[in-house]
Amino acid sequence: KQEVTQIPAALSVPEGENLVLNCSFTDSAIYNLQWFRQDPGKGLTSLLLIQSSQREQTSGRLNASLDKSSGRSTLYIAASQPGDSATYLCAVEGYQKVTFGTGTKLQVIP
Amino acid sequence: EAQVTQNPRYLITVTGKKLTVTCSQNMNHEYMSWYRQDPGLGLRQIYYSMNVEVTDKGDVPEGYKVSRKEKRNFPLILESPSPNQTSLYFCASRGETQYFGPGTRLLVL
Repeated sequence: KQEVTQIPAALSVPEGENLVLNCSFTDSAIYNLQWFRQDPGKGLTSLLLIQSSQREQTSGRLNASLDKSSGRSTLYIAASQPGDSATYLCAVEGYQKVTFGTGTKLQVIP
Repeated sequence: EAQVTQNPRYLITVTGKKLTVTCSQNMNHEYMSWYRQDPGLGLRQIYYSMNVEVTDKGDVPEGYKVSRKEKRNFPLILESPSPNQTSLYFCASRGETQYFGPGTRLLVL
């Protein structure tokens, strides 16, 4: 059974810092890995999706990498802003099923 | 606009009273799924559907039913709700990426 872990569970940084969020998974037989953002009381917004054959994806200030062999993905956020404050979730898709991590709650302090 | 809609958004009910949460998507996606989100446990997949009339269990299917009679709709049915089903529920559909509905907050007394 796939298990997905996100470390740290919470992170507080001053505005402008570059930061890295981590996601690890136990079963490397995956189709893709996706990073989401969730604001309090809201649904999930897709940030980046990395197919199993890819190593990384970039969108604006966000860069996600995937290392299937080691079961790890990182989400890099450059020049963080207060508007980046949210919970970040990674989701691993295996054969038909999707497993989420428990998330990293990020607070960016002005 | 591409979207997944869920209804109701908030629901308070009592133990044993059957309820249905509707989910609809306008993107002609084949894959749809239901999740529940609980503090400390994250999102867990309840059921998923690969296409019309094709459904399968996720990680936490006990106490839930689903149906997929048409591509756009994927309702979640709680035949006899219990307090441990109090949770935040999300419906999602997937094309190139997953789209999530706004969530349904359910309280079972």
